[in-house]
Amino acid sequence: GQNIDQPTEMTATEGAIVQINCTYQTSGFNGLFWYQQHAGEAPTFLSYNVLDGLEEKGRFSSFLSRSKGYSYLLLKELQMKDSASYLCAVKDSNYQLIWGAGTKLIIKP
Amino acid sequence: GAVVSQHPSWVICKSGTSVKIECRSLDFQATTMFWYRQFPKQSLMLMATSNEGSKATYEQGVEKDKFLINHASLTLSTLTVTSAHPEDSSFYICSATGTSGEAGELFFGEGSRLTVL
Repeated sequence: GQNIDQPTEMTATEGAIVQINCTYQTSGFNGLFWYQQHAGEAPTFLSYNVLDGLEEKGRFSSFLSRSKGYSYLLLKELQMKDSASYLCAVKDSNYQLIWGAGTKLIIKP
Repeated sequence: GAVVSQHPSWVICKSGTSVKIECRSLDFQATTMFWYRQFPKQSLMLMATSNEGSKATYEQGVEKDKFLINHASLTLSTLTVTSAHPEDSSFYICSATGTSGEAGELFFGEGSRLTVL
């Protein structure tokens, strides 16, 4: 079966750095997405990785290793507004998006 | 970035009535639209995928006669919850992909919170 694993919840301190991991087992791979979702709102796009390596976008970076079926989202200089759920999603060989359950990130002052 | 608008944001209806939710891509052509349902503290659950001009493809366990999806144009898809019941109360979200953004990037609507009394 297809599976996306990410931690259920993480806690970090304002101003610090946090890494949210995502491992996947899917039938084929056509890209990995990270989305941010605040409570009661729709997800917003953060990043897209299809090749191995690190993609940096401001305070957020996303890393992919296809051979290991692994990705992480790195958030730097954490702000209180970063408190949200972070969803990892993988597009499989049929171009169907498989969603992880999300990681709830709690930022403390 | 590309904008997807979903309407209504909130809807409360009586059991047995039907509710229509609209999803519009405002500044790009959405060749494919997706409808999701999300229960509290759970992840997105894909209900169906619709391509413009063709019938929607429903995920296993989703009743196509209860959740009617129409994608008649490149900018509009609708989800109609027919004969709604309290267990249909949920957060319904649409997303679209098409002629904008990075390959395969999804653009989400704001979501519609349905409460069935």
